[in-house]
Amino acid sequence: ETGVTQTPRHLVMGMTNKKSLKCEQHLGHNAMYWYKQSAKKPLELMFVYSLEERVENNSVPSRFSPECPNSSHLFLHLHTLQPEDSALYLCASSHPTQGALSGANVLTFGAGSRLTVL
Amino acid sequence: DAKTTQPPSMDCAEGRAANLPCNHSTISGNEYVYWYRQIHSQGPQYIIHGLKNNETNEMASLIITEDRKSSTLILPHATLRDTAVYYCIVRVGAGGSYIPTFGRGTSLIVHP
Repeated sequence: ETGVTQTPRHLVMGMTNKKSLKCEQHLGHNAMYWYKQSAKKPLELMFVYSLEERVENNSVPSRFSPECPNSSHLFLHLHTLQPEDSALYLCASSHPTQGALSGANVLTFGAGSRLTVL
Repeated sequence: DAKTTQPPSMDCAEGRAANLPCNHSTISGNEYVYWYRQIHSQGPQYIIHGLKNNETNEMASLIITEDRKSSTLILPHATLRDTAVYYCIVRVGAGGSYIPTFGRGTSLIVHP
């Protein structure tokens, strides 16, 4: 366990379904991230939240909708996805302010949610 | 953040040292070098980071050249469980823009 928990670990959904991925951390971090990792591709940054405000949206289609209700929780709402959206979705957190003291703005990742869109 | 270049794959015998190189010739003065690894289908795991001095922890050693344009991650006694993709990234230590970008990394295979 890394301290970042993602649920569900596996999700199969149809193109017309609506589902959500959840990420939770109790590390006291104040920045949270969503990454997408497709087969044999590098990790792609999707969204960044800092102090519950979205600070980065990396040209992600609107069928992916993030939500950060507080600094410990991050959601990724999914609707009308396409088969090419099948991937491993990874959540991470960090504490950039603490990192200023140690020089270590380290990301802690969850185990990921494996999504299959039929 | 500066760009990094890593060999796509390497292999190493179990029990030997694995030396993974990373080139970051455009690194700027306030950028740190970070290493992560990703074991198949899991989330990446932080290994070590440094600014200009060599660093060592329980997982690995990081050697940064004097001009900071390249670095080497050393796993002193590789085991089969060290088989993973290793990512080298450079970024500002804290504050400002903290958008970490991962490349393709180096796929390390440790064989018996």
